[in-house]
Amino acid sequence: EDKVVQSPLSLVVHEGDTVTLNCSYEVTNFRSLLWYKQEKKAPTFLFMLTSSGIEKKSGRLSSILDKKELSSILNITATQTGDSAIYLCAVYSIQGAQKLVFGQGTRLTINP
Amino acid sequence: DTEVTQTPKHLVMGMTNKKSLKCEQHMGHRAMYWYKQKAKKPPELMFVYSYEKLSINESVPSRFSPECPNSSLLNLHLHALQPEDSALYLCASSQHGTGFFGQGTRLTVV
Repeated sequence: EDKVVQSPLSLVVHEGDTVTLNCSYEVTNFRSLLWYKQEKKAPTFLFMLTSSGIEKKSGRLSSILDKKELSSILNITATQTGDSAIYLCAVYSIQGAQKLVFGQGTRLTINP
Repeated sequence: DTEVTQTPKHLVMGMTNKKSLKCEQHMGHRAMYWYKQKAKKPPELMFVYSYEKLSINESVPSRFSPECPNSSLLNLHLHALQPEDSALYLCASSQHGTGFFGQGTRLTVV
């Protein structure tokens, strides 16, 4: 059965800190790993990773995939209170049908 | 256009009602999904449609009935729901390794 595990499940830091969120996966026919940010409503797309070792960057957020270790990390530098959210990792696989499987999410709280 | 549109945004229904949730995308994606999300939990996959055919049903009770009338539309028909079915229902579409979500329908069953 396809499995995506995120850690930590919850993280509280002070504004300005740097955080690293982890995602590991076991899926058949991996195609890509996706990171989402979810505040009050639907998850919003952050990154799609398909190749090992290539960092994707958007402002203070960056992410990288390690296909050998079946894992990915999401880094946020100089955190702000607006970064408080649930960060979801999802793996896209195709085995007969396309499937997006989510991890449990990391609830990140940034205190001023 | 990277938009997935869901209607309605909010729905309150009684346990004997029949209602439908709608989802629409015009990105040409051939996979569409329904997820259910309870508070403080990740989205749980309910159904996957691939090329307008139901390809995955994650053992969802028959009071939820999906329908894919064409490649842009996905419906979820609801009948005789229970209060524990109250949740955020998310539609998503994907192609080539990406996934985009609608804003969700917040459903309350009374």
